[in-house]
Amino acid sequence: DQQVKQNSPSLSVQEGRISILNCDYTNSMFDYFLWYKKYPAEGPTFLISISSIKDKNEDGRFTVFLNKSAKHLSLHIVPSQPGDSAVYFCAATVDSGTYKYIFGTGTRLKVLA
Amino acid sequence: DVKVTQSSRYLVKRTGEKVFLECVQDMDHENMFWYRQDPGLGLRLIYFSYDVKMKEKGDIPEGYSVSREKKERFSLILESASTNQTSMYLCASSLWAQGGDYGYTFGSGTRLTVV
Repeated sequence: DQQVKQNSPSLSVQEGRISILNCDYTNSMFDYFLWYKKYPAEGPTFLISISSIKDKNEDGRFTVFLNKSAKHLSLHIVPSQPGDSAVYFCAATVDSGTYKYIFGTGTRLKVLA
Repeated sequence: DVKVTQSSRYLVKRTGEKVFLECVQDMDHENMFWYRQDPGLGLRLIYFSYDVKMKEKGDIPEGYSVSREKKERFSLILESASTNQTSMYLCASSLWAQGGDYGYTFGSGTRLTVV
């Protein structure tokens, strides 16, 4: 049972436009959500987080939105750059302290120059 | 900078071999994790540890064991390697109770091929 779902395996966006990556979850007890970016042959790197008490968190070009009633999370990248081309994973946890995260299957973003 | 170092980038092992994957972190993190990444399946948690000698099963522990004798080192052991354990293995660490704001720090991964 996939508790964290990324239904789009891939996305292509023109440079300078907005990239929107989506993530749905089923467990209403999740209280922290993260996005990671992963380049080939490298480990994932932490991008941005949001707790369940917020509905938006912004860091530079990256904004994460949380819609708890819809159990939906999205990552907006504005403006998109070719260096943003990577696989993006969303992750969620209910487990404070250990923060054992459950990851989605990932979305491959390609930003076209 | 926090560093999580995985001893091998690429490994090729034979079916039935005992395989050790090593992970070392240098920032005194309490929590350490082993995930595997497979196409279409994302990252799946194998085992994690929140203290020395403490370990808990993740979602897919079958065929694996772990060892954490020192805080900085977390080893993943494939008792008898099988071809379905061919995968990218990722080690991660985090501070206790700070994983919400800062997430994990991952190593670069070990791509294991079992033939």
